Amino acid sequence: NAGVMQNPRHLVRRRGQEARLRCSPMKGHSHVYWYRQLPEEGLKFMVYLQKENIIDESGMPKERFSAEFPKEGPSILRIQQVVRGDSAAYFCASSLASPGSEPQHFGDGTRLSIL
Amino acid sequence: QKEVEQNSGPLSVPEGAIASLNCTYSDRGSQSFFWYRQYSGKSPELIMSIYSNGDKEDGRFTAQLNKASQYVSLLIRDSQPSDSATYLCAVNTGGFKTIFGAGTRLFVKA
Repeated sequence: NAGVMQNPRHLVRRRGQEARLRCSPMKGHSHVYWYRQLPEEGLKFMVYLQKENIIDESGMPKERFSAEFPKEGPSILRIQQVVRGDSAAYFCASSLASPGSEPQHFGDGTRLSIL
Repeated sequence: QKEVEQNSGPLSVPEGAIASLNCTYSDRGSQSFFWYRQYSGKSPELIMSIYSNGDKEDGRFTAQLNKASQYVSLLIRDSQPSDSATYLCAVNTGGFKTIFGAGTRLFVKA
């Protein structure tokens, strides 16, 4: 499967725990985006990364949230000390080139549930 | 004013009819426009991309862009029940961020 791969598909955490969401972009894609989606709502941009660099994190909360895209391995979205309000679907997308010139292709998402 | 606006619907059309989905955007400098389809509980799937004024056709789908009026639309001909989904409009202004609308729910009645 050459598509965007996200894991886990479902993640359950208790309040105060850490959540780690992983995303492997499509083969050849070096641009990765993370979005959050609440039920019946649209996609909210969180962060845009290229290999080893965060390009735009304007949509990501300053506290508890972080993202990385190392030279080797998947992109990671990390949520520390999770709270109930973090429950959502988190989608990763990738593109071949920089935003605007190429469409983004989405993974199947990670459904995060906070108990 | 929201950056990308869509009627939330639901838009209900009979099978075989034309479904018309509309989207308006606020940034006049926007350059790239995309339509995604999202089934309930699934990920967004790219249907069409359009970059210049006019119509772009792909099978039963036609995207229409009017930059002067700042709107982009998606027409679905011969609508099928399997087209029932939420359709997301996405706009890129040339910067790093692609803005998604909240989506329009389409229901095609058999």
